[in-house]
Amino acid sequence: NAGVTQTPKFQVLKTGQSMTLQCAQDMNHEYMSWYRQDPGMGLRLIHYSVGAGITDQGEVPNGYNVSRSTTEDFPLRLLSAAPSQTSVYFCASSSILGTSYEQFFGPGTRLTVL
Amino acid sequence: GNSVTQMEGPVTLSEEAFLTINCTYTATGYPSLFWYVQYPGEGLQLLLKATKADDKGSNKGFEATYRKETTSFHLEKGSVQVSDSAVYFCALSQNTDKLIFGTGTRLQVFP
Repeated sequence: NAGVTQTPKFQVLKTGQSMTLQCAQDMNHEYMSWYRQDPGMGLRLIHYSVGAGITDQGEVPNGYNVSRSTTEDFPLRLLSAAPSQTSVYFCASSSILGTSYEQFFGPGTRLTVL
Repeated sequence: GNSVTQMEGPVTLSEEAFLTINCTYTATGYPSLFWYVQYPGEGLQLLLKATKADDKGSNKGFEATYRKETTSFHLEKGSVQVSDSAVYFCALSQNTDKLIFGTGTRLQVFP
C-alpha cells in the first residue's frame, strides 16, 4: 500500500493563477480531508468528504474547491491564488477503528504564492 | 466550540531526559484524544490515542492519559532520544473524521 500520496511536493504560483493539488489513497477509506498548516496555528481543516460525491466545508474553505468523484481521489483546487494561501497542505484519509477515527496523512505540498 | 491548547515550544532537552508536553482541551461530552508526531519534512503520523476517560495511550515509549476531571492529555516519555526530535500535535475529535489540532510543540533533543 502506498497510503496517502500527494502531488506536487512543492509549487510556486503567481497571484491570480489557479492550480490543483492532487491527493490519492489506496486504503479504501471513506473519509478524506484537506488541511493547511501555518506557523503557530497548527492544522486547520479546509474541506472534507465522507464518501464519493459528498463534500463539505471545514474551518477555512474560502478560496478552495474540492470534488470527490471516486473513493480514491480528492483533489483541492485553488481558483485564484493569493499570498495568504502560502502554506503547507496536507491531505488525510480516515478509517474507523472502534469508536475513534484514525487519520492517515500524506507527505504534504508546500505552496508559495508570490 | 471545541479547542485544544498545547504548551508552546520549543522544548529543548538533553538525551535521556524526561519529557512532558502539556495538552488541555475544551469539548462537550467525551471526545477522542490523539497525539500526532511530525518528523522534519514529513506528514503527520498517529503516535497514540485514547477514546474514553482514564484510558492510557502508549507507543514507542510515549504515554498519555485521558483525564476528564482536568480535561488534559499530557504526553510523557521517561527517556528521550535524539531521534524523538519532531513537532508533536495534540488533537481531538468528537466521533467524526474532523480533527481539531493544537498549535504543535517542537521538541529538540541534543546528545
